[in-house]
Amino acid sequence: QVRLVESGGGVVQPGRSLRLSCAASRFTFSAYALHWVRQAPGKGLEWVAVISFDGSNKYYADSVKGRFTVSRDNSKNTLYLQMDSLRPEDTAVYYCARDRGSNWLLYYLDYWGLGTLVTVSS
Amino acid sequence: DFQMTQSPSSVSASVGDRVTITCRASQGLSRWLAWYQQKPGKAPRLLIYAASSLQSGVPSRFSGSGSGTDFTLTISSLQPEDFATYYCQQANSFFASFGPGTKVDFK
Repeated sequence: QVRLVESGGGVVQPGRSLRLSCAASRFTFSAYALHWVRQAPGKGLEWVAVISFDGSNKYYADSVKGRFTVSRDNSKNTLYLQMDSLRPEDTAVYYCARDRGSNWLLYYLDYWGLGTLVTVSS
Repeated sequence: DFQMTQSPSSVSASVGDRVTITCRASQGLSRWLAWYQQKPGKAPRLLIYAASSLQSGVPSRFSGSGSGTDFTLTISSLQPEDFATYYCQQANSFFASFGPGTKVDFK
């Protein structure tokens, strides 16, 4: 069964940085695009970013563009989200999720991790 | 930008009821739409993709329909494990977006 495990969340002050990781296993990591999706406490889902299977294409939500950077290391089966200039409104559970398309971007998210909580507060 | 709306925002139902949730997009999506189920404290689960294709392992009581701007998720006979929040998501652009969600709870 596909496994995605996020880590790196925590409490951080506004304006500071944090890097999230997502360790993947039990599938061919290098063949799939991966997404980050977040959910503020008590709120709905917000798509954050996607990176293609080979890392050549990346797209971001307007709310994080210029502040967040998605990357991946296919040799380590790990996805990253570098979050800079954090704001209180970035407080959320951050999920990584696999795109259903193999070697293709479909934007259907078929497997999700359990999430990691990021709290931005002074 | 694609804006997604859902109706109703919540619905109260009983086991065995037929439940229908509607999702509307601000622009045409063709059939690039997915539905997810989320239970409290859990990650979302993909139910339907490409508007009407059932994800592997999802019970057949779930079905999706629609194209363009109007889509529907139907649960034909609500089961106790189906009480959850349901989200639609457009997949028609490089920038995905979700609807606000529909909570299905006990009548």
